[in-house]
Amino acid sequence: QKEVEQNSGPLSVPEGAIASLNCTYSDRVSQSFFWYRQYSGKSPELIMSIYSNGDKEDGRFTAQLNKASQYVSLLIRDSQPSDSATYLCAVNGNNRLAFGKGNQVVVIP
Amino acid sequence: NAGVTQTPKFQVLKTGQSMTLQCAQDMNHNSMYWYRQDPGMGLRLIYYSASEGTTDKGEVPNGYNVSRLNKREFSLRLESAAPSQTSVYFCASRGGWEEGKLFFGSGTQLSVL
Repeated sequence: QKEVEQNSGPLSVPEGAIASLNCTYSDRVSQSFFWYRQYSGKSPELIMSIYSNGDKEDGRFTAQLNKASQYVSLLIRDSQPSDSATYLCAVNGNNRLAFGKGNQVVVIP
Repeated sequence: NAGVTQTPKFQVLKTGQSMTLQCAQDMNHNSMYWYRQDPGMGLRLIYYSASEGTTDKGEVPNGYNVSRLNKREFSLRLESAAPSQTSVYFCASRGGWEEGKLFFGSGTQLSVL
């Protein structure tokens, strides 16, 4: 079983709508979780980190963590064309990050 | 500050050729990483170095070697390139005070024919 799973295909959302991305992880002892954004042809950049169960909000982004269900999600509110990118879920363990495959988000004007 | 600098940006090799990808960071970070990214596969860790003088295998180390030359530099070597190593390679570094925040280089697009 891969450490970090992101199974959804490309997500198309209208401008102004909410984009919802999901991620599951296999290591129950993981304590820290991250979302990276990667524009086409560019390197990934960190946009959110979350360490405790519940919600964490930063601007239009909300990360949600449920350790009992081993589940992390990212909500993008009021989606903008500039949010069109691939979003990578990452989980920290043993001094390294394990990444999911990523989910492509396309925001349609 | 340049951050993380990777060279070269593009490279084409023939099967069996060797090459070294160079990476340097100027942020005084202890940890450095090499990832490869293939379509539909996400980022996969090749090797990492938690501190100067140490290196460890990641998820996909076969066919690669690394050298942590000093605190700044971490190189990745392909001794005998294979078409399966066609990929985009990213070097990254991490400072211990910002858990989870990797600083990535701009990537190397490698094609092995």
